[in-house]
Amino acid sequence: DTEVTQTPKHLVMGMTNKKSLKCEQHMGHRAMYWYKQKAKKPPELMFVYSYEKLSINESVPSRFSPECPNSSLLNLHLHALQPEDSALYLCASSFREESYNEQFFGPGTRLTVL
Amino acid sequence: KQEVTQIPAALSVPEGENLVLNCSFTDSAIYNLQWFRQDPGKGLTSLLLIQSSQREQTSGRLNASLDKSSGRSTLYIAASQPGDSATYLCAVRTYNQGGKLIFGQGTELSVKP
Repeated sequence: DTEVTQTPKHLVMGMTNKKSLKCEQHMGHRAMYWYKQKAKKPPELMFVYSYEKLSINESVPSRFSPECPNSSLLNLHLHALQPEDSALYLCASSFREESYNEQFFGPGTRLTVL
Repeated sequence: KQEVTQIPAALSVPEGENLVLNCSFTDSAIYNLQWFRQDPGKGLTSLLLIQSSQREQTSGRLNASLDKSSGRSTLYIAASQPGDSATYLCAVRTYNQGGKLIFGQGTELSVKP
């Protein structure tokens, strides 16, 4: 298995809802990442997990809560989001967090906040 | 602070042309440079990764070069096809920014049949 999968593909939620995004990889990678991408812009790093521990939080608002329950799975829990949080959320993984490792991206979840 | 620039922002070519996409970066202290392809509304597909010690990488019709001292990389696409239409992003990892990926704004490529 050489891919990163993300579910759901699309998500529409209200500002009072709680939802979760899921990312999975079975390549034995021990670093996993969440990115946010607005239309016509490059991805922006949100979080990095290394060996299931949070390594980097790019000052993301607390309404986004990441979780890495095991080495293959990464979740992003969403609560009380704002319409400006609507974006494509991308998950990525790499063999290790070390900077010479190639990152592989999933297909993304298109999030719309009403 | 590392800045990555991609020129042009958009490019339209007829099918069969060879083309070059450019990427420049301001801080030459990089670990590596990665080229990605992104189709509309989709995720990023990694095309090529060039480590700082390498000069070029090839995969099929794609060839990427790296000149670290001048802060430049090019992605050469041979015999372009309509299926190559996508946005192409380059990203670098820089020593003094914790090795995180710093992306350019992308080049939107359209190959006309």
